[in-house]
Amino acid sequence: ETGVTQTPRHLVMGMTNKKSLKCEQHLGHNAMYWYKQSAKKPLELMFVYNFKEQTENNSVPSRFSPECPNSSHLFLHLHTLQPEDSALYLCASSQEIVYEQYFGPGTRLTVT
Amino acid sequence: GNSVTQMEGPVTLSEEAFLTINCTYTATGYPSLFWYVQYPGEGLQLLLKATKADDKGSNKGFEATYRKETTSFHLEKGSVQVSDSAVYFCALSLKDTGRRALTFGSGTRLQVQP
Repeated sequence: ETGVTQTPRHLVMGMTNKKSLKCEQHLGHNAMYWYKQSAKKPLELMFVYNFKEQTENNSVPSRFSPECPNSSHLFLHLHTLQPEDSALYLCASSQEIVYEQYFGPGTRLTVT
Repeated sequence: GNSVTQMEGPVTLSEEAFLTINCTYTATGYPSLFWYVQYPGEGLQLLLKATKADDKGSNKGFEATYRKETTSFHLEKGSVQVSDSAVYFCALSLKDTGRRALTFGSGTRLQVQP
């Protein structure tokens, strides 16, 4: 398998649930990213990891908790979400933090 | 700060028409420039890039030239197809230690009618 994969592709969860999104990159990259894409809004960068270290957190609410156990895997743990958190969550990776990013297909999250 | 401005969409064209999507940028430095495309239900794909002034990026019939004097990176295609219908994002990256790598524009939706 090549590129950047994300699971699950679709997720429906209630506001009291706990779930996790998974991202895996097979490109040998060192930087990984989480983005949120909502309808009619620009792409929002959420978190940046460089060599497994978090280098950026763009004022993301604590109900979103990232985890990067190694350079190939990135998780986004979700708990007590709100309906406005419904969006497409995109993972990306890049060789280094300044190079072009390669995106996964995204997880479509619906919070009921 | 760094920013990218794209033309408002949607852009609606007939098949085989000429496409231009405008993109201008503001950057505190010398950025690399990118165009990404997002097809319905998918993530973003890198379409083309340019890393220095007067470079022309090209892929799948699309082209964009890095114009430093006008701080622009307009996307063009001579003859669009229905399969080109998607959202196109212009982006820049700037080597700025400890900050984000890519700054995206808001995206321009292209609709190509048969």
